[in-house]
Amino acid sequence: QKEVEQNSGPLSVPEGAIASLNCTYSDRGSQSFFWYRQYSGKSPELIMFIYSNGDKEDGRFTAQLNKASQYVSLLIRDSQPSDSATYLCAVKGTGGFKTIFGAGTRLFVKA
Amino acid sequence: DAGVIQSPRHEVTEMGQEVTLRCKPISGHNSLFWYRQTMMRGLELLIYFNNNVPIDDSGMPEDRFSAKMPNASFSTLKIQPSEPRDSAVYFCASSHDRVNQPQHFGDGTRLSIL
Repeated sequence: QKEVEQNSGPLSVPEGAIASLNCTYSDRGSQSFFWYRQYSGKSPELIMFIYSNGDKEDGRFTAQLNKASQYVSLLIRDSQPSDSATYLCAVKGTGGFKTIFGAGTRLFVKA
Repeated sequence: DAGVIQSPRHEVTEMGQEVTLRCKPISGHNSLFWYRQTMMRGLELLIYFNNNVPIDDSGMPEDRFSAKMPNASFSTLKIQPSEPRDSAVYFCASSHDRVNQPQHFGDGTRLSIL
């Protein structure tokens, strides 16, 4: 089992729809959870982080965390073609050093 | 504030040559990470440092790869001798070593070994 698992996609949604990206992790001691966006040919860019169970909203983005289910998700409301990218889920445990990245989900938003 | 700075942005060289990639982390960050990304294997962690000390180099694929961090503001990743299968994008990232601090990535070095 991979430490951080994501559906590779591609996930295709129409413009204006809600895109839902999911991630599961294996280490119950994980404490910090991050979502990165990576455009083709570019470096990963941090877009959201969440530490506590529940929802965290930032503009069109909402991160959701359920530690009991070891599940974290990212919702993108009113999806735009410019949201088309690969989204990487990243998990950080105790010790504060290493972050484990998922393989990423490719998202296509169709105009 | 300046982000993570990597050089060169692109490197094309012939098989067998030595390649040196450079990274300047964000000032104040005490953890530094080297990654390799390819279409087939995704983002792979090669090695990471904390307070200039290598903590885990288990991701370094072969002895041909080596990394150093002589001070808090500079790190190198060296491949000697290089091979075509080393062609990839190499990212450097830095962070604070506190559990709630994210990594920030440089723009990467696109390496092509002919």
